[in-house]
Amino acid sequence: DTGVSQDPRHKITKRGQNVTFRCDPISEHNRLYWYRQTLGQGPEFLTYFQNEAQLEKSRLLSDRFSAERPKGSFSTLEIQRTEQGDSAMYLCASSPRTVSSYNEQFFGPGTRLTVL
Amino acid sequence: AQSVAQPEDQVNVAEGNPLTVKCTYSVSGNPYLFWYVQYPNRGLQFLLKYITGDNLVKGSYGFEAEFNKSQTSFHLKKPSALVSDSALYFCAVRGGWKLSFGAGTTVTVRA
Repeated sequence: DTGVSQDPRHKITKRGQNVTFRCDPISEHNRLYWYRQTLGQGPEFLTYFQNEAQLEKSRLLSDRFSAERPKGSFSTLEIQRTEQGDSAMYLCASSPRTVSSYNEQFFGPGTRLTVL
Repeated sequence: AQSVAQPEDQVNVAEGNPLTVKCTYSVSGNPYLFWYVQYPNRGLQFLLKYITGDNLVKGSYGFEAEFNKSQTSFHLKKPSALVSDSALYFCAVRGGWKLSFGAGTTVTVRA
């Protein structure tokens, strides 16, 4: 399978714990995005990487959230001191290396986080 | 700021009938619009996009969308719906590098 992959698919944690999610984009894609989707809502943008550089961050990304893409390939999203309000589906997407910003983004299956 | 609205939470149609899922947009400048579909416990799948050119855009699985600048709309259509089209549909608009999504429309196609 050559699509975007995410790990784990499901995570249940207790409030106050730290969690880390991984995203592996499509191999030739240099652009990577994280979104968060809560029940009954569309995905909301969190952050964007071009290669290893984090170029845009949403105000939704509080100081408890950190994302990295150290070698310009896979990315991790860490949430520290989780809160019940962090419960959501976390989606990763990637898009190819082109000049155009109009390319569609290809989404992974998501990581569903439940904070107890 | 770029935004889209999907005025219907749910759309119900009989198999074989035409399907329309509505979307309106608000942008400054030229709109770059997308439709995605989401099946249960899966990520979003790209259906089609409008960047420029013809107002009727054809996409995957027999779907098409009509861009209407005067009505600021980008409705998704399928001439003959299938039960397998039952899913959650999202309209989105590009602003910078990010997509801004609508709240989604649940489509149910009954046999």
